[in-house]
Amino acid sequence: GESVGLHLPTLSVQEGDNSIINCAYSNSASDYFIWYKQESGKGPQFIIDIRSNMDKRQGQRVTVLLNKTVKHLSLQIAATQPGDSAVYFCAEKHTGRRALTFGSGTRLQVQP
Amino acid sequence: EPEVTQTPSHQVTQMGQEVILRCVPISNHLYFYWYRQILGQKVEFLVSFYNNEISEKSEIFDDQFSVERPDGSNFTLKIRSTKLEDSAMYFCARQGQSTDTQYFGPGTRLTVL
Repeated sequence: GESVGLHLPTLSVQEGDNSIINCAYSNSASDYFIWYKQESGKGPQFIIDIRSNMDKRQGQRVTVLLNKTVKHLSLQIAATQPGDSAVYFCAEKHTGRRALTFGSGTRLQVQP
Repeated sequence: EPEVTQTPSHQVTQMGQEVILRCVPISNHLYFYWYRQILGQKVEFLVSFYNNEISEKSEIFDDQFSVERPDGSNFTLKIRSTKLEDSAMYFCARQGQSTDTQYFGPGTRLTVL
């Protein structure tokens, strides 16, 4: 069946450290992946995305890695700041569809 | 900066009542989506809307739900007879024609009593 899941429900890091949030997916037909940040009481905020024909994409302080062999997606946040504290969701899109299928989320807690 | 605005921010209703949630895109986009998020759970796709028609819907989007773009601008989600389990955050998202990126609105919190 289709599923997008997250390995760790909560990740606690020290300010200034790098954070890695992981996500597994099971559908080989997924052609697009996206990470969102969600703060309490707000809508998902786009962070970075990647297509299935890429392995890596970098943004400002964030990097997304895609390993299609093991169906694994990760979000790396460099020099994590207190403002990065939020729930992070990965989501995937299947080829030929537009709907996003979300994972269950990882809470990132940044300790000052 | 909000890509879409949603009204109301919070809606409280009695079970069995009809509710209409509204989404107002700021810029002109073709694809719109409704998602919901039950408290503490993941975001779930409901329906996508393109060129004034439903293009895709999930199993959640049953006959109790409908979407419209009545005036060519606002995009609405109607729940005809609300149930307790409809209590959730409802998010509207928009997408441009040449990108897969979906940008979400701030959401409407629906509470069914």
